Amino acid sequence: GAGVSQTPSNKVTEKGKYVELRCDPISGHTALYWYRQSLGQGPEFLIYFQGTGAADDSGLPNDRFFAVRPEGSVSTLKIQRTERGDSAVYLCASSPPDEETQYFGPGTRLLVL
Amino acid sequence: AQKITQTQPGMFVQEKEAVTLDCTYDTSDQSYGLFWYKQPSSGEMIFLIYQGSYDEQNATEGRYSLNFQKARKSANLVISASQLGDSAMYFCAMREGKRGSNQFYFGTGTSLTVIP
Repeated sequence: GAGVSQTPSNKVTEKGKYVELRCDPISGHTALYWYRQSLGQGPEFLIYFQGTGAADDSGLPNDRFFAVRPEGSVSTLKIQRTERGDSAVYLCASSPPDEETQYFGPGTRLLVL
Repeated sequence: AQKITQTQPGMFVQEKEAVTLDCTYDTSDQSYGLFWYKQPSSGEMIFLIYQGSYDEQNATEGRYSLNFQKARKSANLVISASQLGDSAMYFCAMREGKRGSNQFYFGTGTSLTVIP
C-alpha cells in the first residue's frame, strides 16, 4: 500500500518568505508527527496530532511555525518569515490506532538562502 | 542530559559478519519504549525493531535483535550476517512514558558501512 508522502521533496526559498510543507499520512492512521532533522543529527520532535487536533505542539521552536490537520488526514506545516537556521529536512510520520510504531515519509528538504 | 546517546558516529563491518550498534538512554519513567530506525541515503526512516520496558525477552526481527539491558539503560542493536544493503544511518529512539505518550527522542545516529 501507499506509504507516507511529503511534498515538495525539495524547497528552496529566500529568507523572510513563507513556506508550506505537506504531509499525506497512510490511510487510516490517526496519529501524525512532524520532526525536523538537521545535518548530522537525529529527528527532533515538532508537533503531534491525534485526529484533527494538535495534541502536543511543545516542540515547535517559535511562533513562526504552525501546523494544521483540518480533516484528520493531510497535514500542512507552515513556516512564516523563514530564517537560514530553518534549513533542514522536515519529516512527517504517522501511526495507526493503538500502535506506536511510526511510519516515516521521505521528508522535505528545505533550504533557506 | 541527552535522552538517547549513540557514541559511535561511524562503524564498519565485513559483509556476512555481525555488528553491534550501541545505544544508551536516560529516563526516570518505568514505562517506556525503545526503537531502532534505519535511514538510507534516500532519507526515509525505516522502522526496524521495538522493545518495551516491561518486555523480558530481547526483541528479534529477522536479522535484527535488540540487546536490552535495563539496569545499564542500554538497548544495543545487533545485525547478524551483514549485507551490503545494510549500509545506512541507524537511529535509536525512545518513547518516554506509557504507551500512547508522544514524547519521542532520537539519538544522533551511527553510520554503518558494510564492506564487501
